[in-house]
Amino acid sequence: QQQVKQSPQSLIVQKGGIPIINCAYENTAFDYFPWYQQFPGKGPALLIAIRPDVSEKKEGRFTISFNKSAKQFSLHIMDSQPGDSATYFCAASIGEGAGSYQLTFGKGTKLSVIP
Amino acid sequence: NAGVTQTPKFRILKIGQSMTLQCTQDMNHNYMYWYRQDPGMGLKLIYYSVGAGITDKGEVPNGYNVSRSTTEDFPLRLELAAPSQTSVYFCASSYVGDPNTEAFFGQGTRLTVV
Repeated sequence: QQQVKQSPQSLIVQKGGIPIINCAYENTAFDYFPWYQQFPGKGPALLIAIRPDVSEKKEGRFTISFNKSAKQFSLHIMDSQPGDSATYFCAASIGEGAGSYQLTFGKGTKLSVIP
Repeated sequence: NAGVTQTPKFRILKIGQSMTLQCTQDMNHNYMYWYRQDPGMGLKLIYYSVGAGITDKGEVPNGYNVSRSTTEDFPLRLELAAPSQTSVYFCASSYVGDPNTEAFFGQGTRLTVV
């Protein structure tokens, strides 16, 4: 059972475009929703994260939108650049109790930003 | 600041062989994790540890074993390697108690079982 569903699987945008990656979760106990960025041959690295008490968080060109009632969250990349080409993973975790802080990952989105 | 260090980076094993993937972190993190990453499948948790001497199974533990004798080290043992264990393995650590709860990942070990 996949608890975090991510779409699309791949995405190609022109430089300056705004790619949007969507994730949906099932477990209402999740209370931490990070996005990780992974370049080829490297480990994932935290990009931005949100908790369910806010509906939006922005860091530089990256924005997370969060809809608690729909159990969905998304990543927007403003003014995308070729250097943003990477695989992006959404994830979710529970902060309390047994199994705390274990990240459940989506399957990833391979983003290509073409000049 | 080395962060999370994994060795080796690449390894080819024959079916039935065994090996240990090494992971060490220098951030004094209490939680450590092992994930495997298969193409198009995201990362799946194999084992995790909440502190020295304490380990527990994740989503896909079969065929693996772990130990955590120190805060810094969290080796992953493969016994009787099988082709299904061909994957990229990532070790990660985090400090529970940090409100951001960021997990730091190593560079990965690419394992091929033939």
